[in-house]
Amino acid sequence: QKEVEQDPGPLSVPEGAIVSLNCTYSNSAFQYFMWYRQYSRKGPELLMYTYSSGNKEDGRFTAQVDKSSKYISLFIRDSQPSDSATYLCAMPHTGGFKTIFGAGTRLFVKA
Amino acid sequence: KAGVTQTPRYLIKTRGQQVTLSCSPISGHRSVSWYQQTPGQGLQFLFEYFSETQRNKGNFPGRFSGRQFSNSRSEMNVSTLELGDSALYLCASSLEQGKETQYFGPGTRLLVL
Repeated sequence: QKEVEQDPGPLSVPEGAIVSLNCTYSNSAFQYFMWYRQYSRKGPELLMYTYSSGNKEDGRFTAQVDKSSKYISLFIRDSQPSDSATYLCAMPHTGGFKTIFGAGTRLFVKA
Repeated sequence: KAGVTQTPRYLIKTRGQQVTLSCSPISGHRSVSWYQQTPGQGLQFLFEYFSETQRNKGNFPGRFSGRQFSNSRSEMNVSTLELGDSALYLCASSLEQGKETQYFGPGTRLLVL
């Protein structure tokens, strides 16, 4: 079993839809959760990070963490074609010495 | 502030050759990590350097090696290239060792023929 599981998609939605991207993890020691966005032929860029359970909002993006279920989500409201990218969840091991990434979910937002 | 830069951006090699990739971290960042990204395996950790020392290593064969210089710039070397080494190689920098927020470069796309 992989430490971090993420459905690779692809996920295709119409413009304006609410998008839900999810990851599950098995290591209860993970304390810090990140979401990266990667456009084609580019490196990943950090979108959001959170330490604790609950929700964290940043503009159209909301990161949600449920440590009891070992489940994290990224919601995108009012999705735009420019949101079309691969979204990767990531979790550093204790001390951040090694970050484990999910497989990434490819998102397509159709105009 | 300039971002992480990687050179070259694209590279074509043949099996058995060796290759060296370069990474310049964000100014002031002292930790550099390397990752391999492939469609099948996703993003996999290669190694992390801090203060010219390798601090952590992923599960890759010894053909993959790296080093970091006193100015924090880092190089990664792959010897005896195999077809399966074709991938996007990403470098990420962070302020200190163990800092969770990493900033990625655009990557070097390596094709092994």
